[in-house]
Amino acid sequence: AQTVTQSQPEMSVQEAETVTLSCTYDTSESDYYLFWYKQPPSRQMILVIRQEAYKQQNATENRFSVNFQKAAKSFSLKISDSQLGDAAMYFCAYRTTTAYGGATNKLIFGTGTLLAVQP
Amino acid sequence: DAGVTQSPTHLIKTRGQQVTLRCSPISGHKSVSWYQQVLGQGPQFIFQYYEKEERGRGNFPDRFSARQFPNYSSELNVNALLLGDSALYLCASSPKSGPEGQGAGNTIYFGEGSWLTVV
Repeated sequence: AQTVTQSQPEMSVQEAETVTLSCTYDTSESDYYLFWYKQPPSRQMILVIRQEAYKQQNATENRFSVNFQKAAKSFSLKISDSQLGDAAMYFCAYRTTTAYGGATNKLIFGTGTLLAVQP
Repeated sequence: DAGVTQSPTHLIKTRGQQVTLRCSPISGHKSVSWYQQVLGQGPQFIFQYYEKEERGRGNFPDRFSARQFPNYSSELNVNALLLGDSALYLCASSPKSGPEGQGAGNTIYFGEGSWLTVV
């Protein structure tokens, strides 16, 4: 069974600085998807960035980028130029595939990292 | 376009009662999945439905059931409520699933959730 581990329960960063959130996962599948979701106090899950396992290039979305190390099963999130609005719980998630290779809607989440942004 | 909508947003039930939570996916999305998020933890997968058929079930007791209607909306039912069922219940939708669901475009979008408190 797949597992996702986030070893940093809480992180803090100064406004305008850079912070990296860690995530490791375990799987025997070769093709899968990885995601970072942000959950602000409103509790709605907001997709931050996604990575397809077959792509070697690390995904980037504006100030957010990932460091995807497939062999090490590591998927960290880097937030550059941190803003007050980035303060939230961040979840790393793994998307399973079906027996036929298609993506399911079953996401396996880590326990989350609570990010605080200091002004 | 409207996002994933859930109702009710908050509700309080007594132990032993039954509850029904409702979800309307994004227009055009055929796949709906349900997650339970206990305070302080990441969401846990409960069910996935695609084209009105159950496509996956998490490790939850038979007290939990769901269905998807012809218009792709969905209901989650929980019988014989326990105190431990108190959680945020999240609904998520995506356009496709299975072999048709490959590709970065098949993003999973979450609703704002239904807060269930069992007393």
